[in-house]
Amino acid sequence: DAGVTQSPTHLIKTRGQQVTLRCSPISGHKSVSWYQQVLGQGPQFIFQYYEKEERGRGNFPDRFSARQFPNYSSELNVNALLLGDSALYLCASSLQVGGLYEQYFGPGTRLTVT
Amino acid sequence: AQSVAQPEDQVNVAEGNPLTVKCTYSVSGNPYLFWYVQYPNRGLQFLLKYITGDNLVKGSYGFEAEFNKSQTSFHLKKPSALVSDSALYFCAVRQSSGSARQLTFGSGTQLTVLP
Repeated sequence: DAGVTQSPTHLIKTRGQQVTLRCSPISGHKSVSWYQQVLGQGPQFIFQYYEKEERGRGNFPDRFSARQFPNYSSELNVNALLLGDSALYLCASSLQVGGLYEQYFGPGTRLTVT
Repeated sequence: AQSVAQPEDQVNVAEGNPLTVKCTYSVSGNPYLFWYVQYPNRGLQFLLKYITGDNLVKGSYGFEAEFNKSQTSFHLKKPSALVSDSALYFCAVRQSSGSARQLTFGSGTQLTVLP
């Protein structure tokens, strides 16, 4: 089976622009989470979705939003980009939203804001 | 609030020697604990998890981890290191109940296995 896929792989944007990142979970997985990983740090939780509903939100500004579609794929949107938004954005999927389920990560989207 | 500490930014070990990557955590109630590995320019790869039961958990590629509730630790171990184990390792925690279900990661430990 295919793992978690993310697109695009790399992205360069200018300050103030908007960006949309996409994620397809492992087949059969119903929960998708988004993380931001700044160079030299561990991933920071942004959102978790399950069955198209938001189940958790990290400490990120309202410029960050996400949604999950009926096929369980997901999009992360970031508006009014800042230089500090430059990071690796990771999508992870899991069978369910419960805490004991491990998450499987995609390769990430490298966003550079200039 | 839940948190994870990985006190060593860098661990070096000779090939064939045992390795330990340290992790301590703080969480309300009982923890769910995870170890992930990240290779350059790649996403995170799941290694193992502790949910309940036996304090020694076995995972992928010969790795294991020991849960110690009194010391709030979950150290990653391997009896004999390989050069191919060189990577960035992350410990993560999630509380087992309540509304906060997100994973909280440590800052990572760079493991280098020297030939």
